[in-house]
Amino acid sequence: DAGVIQSPRHEVTEMGQEVTLRCKPISGHDYLFWYRQTMMRGLELLIYFNNNVPIDDSGMPEDRFSAKMPNASFSTLKIQPSEPRDSAVYFCASSFKPFLDRGGNTIYFGEGSWLTVV
Amino acid sequence: QQQVKQSPQSLIVQKGGISIINCAYENTAFDYFPWYQQFPGKGPALLIAIRPDVSEKKEGRFTISFNKSAKQFSLHIMDSQPGDSATYFCAASGRNQGGKLIFGQGTELSVKP
Repeated sequence: DAGVIQSPRHEVTEMGQEVTLRCKPISGHDYLFWYRQTMMRGLELLIYFNNNVPIDDSGMPEDRFSAKMPNASFSTLKIQPSEPRDSAVYFCASSFKPFLDRGGNTIYFGEGSWLTVV
Repeated sequence: QQQVKQSPQSLIVQKGGISIINCAYENTAFDYFPWYQQFPGKGPALLIAIRPDVSEKKEGRFTISFNKSAKQFSLHIMDSQPGDSATYFCAASGRNQGGKLIFGQGTELSVKP
């Protein structure tokens, strides 16, 4: 399997522009997570989906952020309008089921989308 | 209650030495404590994990020690190697977290040859 695939890997955009980050989870995984990583706040969970349905979006910073999962193999995280404080690495991750079982299941992370808003 | 506090923020160890990273949590409902390893430009990857029914888990050179009463757990890297240089994150979750994994702030480990 190719793992979790994210695009773009790097994005530089101007303040006020719309940014769309894309994610393809591992085939067969029915949980998808969006995390944001910054030096100040570390790794933060923004939102996660189960079977394409958003379960918890309490980590989404504000209305400028939205996420969708139209099917089991694709998700987007959109920022509109973007601001310099949104500059961060955005990770998508997926798992077969929550890691709460004892079967060694875990969350697999993509390589991240490095966003810079100037 | 949701925080996981990790220390130190950075760590320099000589090759062959022992690296120790500590984490503390508040939420007694947490029952899953993984450690993730992240190399520059990559996403975090699971290194080792423990549940509170055991006090220690060892996988190769990596050991998690868990102290339930103190609500603390730590990662020990024995015989540290330059290839271990990475950022390490502790994390915690539980059945009442609905799938959330709460991460510590991370420790940047540098192993000097």
